[in-house]
Amino acid sequence: AQSVTQLGSHVSVSEGALVLLRCNYSSSVPPYLFWYVQYPNQGLQLLLKYTTGATLVKGINGFEAEFKKSETSFHLTKPSAHMSDAAEYFCAVSDEAGTALIFGKGTTLSVSS
Amino acid sequence: EAQVTQNPRYLITVTGKKLTVTCSQNMNHEYMSWYRQDPGLGLRQIYYSMNVEVTDKGDVPEGYKVSRKEKRNFPLILESPSPNQTSLYFCASSFGTATYEQYFGPGTRLTVT
Repeated sequence: AQSVTQLGSHVSVSEGALVLLRCNYSSSVPPYLFWYVQYPNQGLQLLLKYTTGATLVKGINGFEAEFKKSETSFHLTKPSAHMSDAAEYFCAVSDEAGTALIFGKGTTLSVSS
Repeated sequence: EAQVTQNPRYLITVTGKKLTVTCSQNMNHEYMSWYRQDPGLGLRQIYYSMNVEVTDKGDVPEGYKVSRKEKRNFPLILESPSPNQTSLYFCASSFGTATYEQYFGPGTRLTVT
């Protein structure tokens, strides 16, 4: 069965610093992987997704993620954090049948000035 | 504007009083789904629908019902709410299956006393 583990429930960075949010997955089939962001009092918004092909995926707001099959990882990065990046981030994998997203427990990103 | 709407956004109710949370999308999406979000647990799927009149259980369906009589609407019904159903609920839709980008509604915060 598919599963997602997000390492670190809370990550704090300074403005301008590198953002690294870690995600490891388990999947019995080639995975479809996603990163979603949730701003306070809002629904989830897709940042980026990996289906097939290029392993480095670029998303919105300067975020990118690299699919590493050998490490079963899909870590999210951004070179320079902005205050507006403060939010909760969820990594997710589609289940085998394509009927559900399996979410990690989320990582709250705090950005200080 | 392409969107998923949910109503109500906030609801406080008492144990056993039937309620319905509505969900509507204007993107002609075939797939719709309900998730609940609880602190430290991420999002978990309640029910999903692959098309009109086609619904199935997700990971946590107990205590919930759904229907899909029209393509755009996917209401979530709690016939006898209990305090353990206090949660933040999200409706989502996508073009085909969960392997596609899912568009999320703004959420409904439900409190059952």
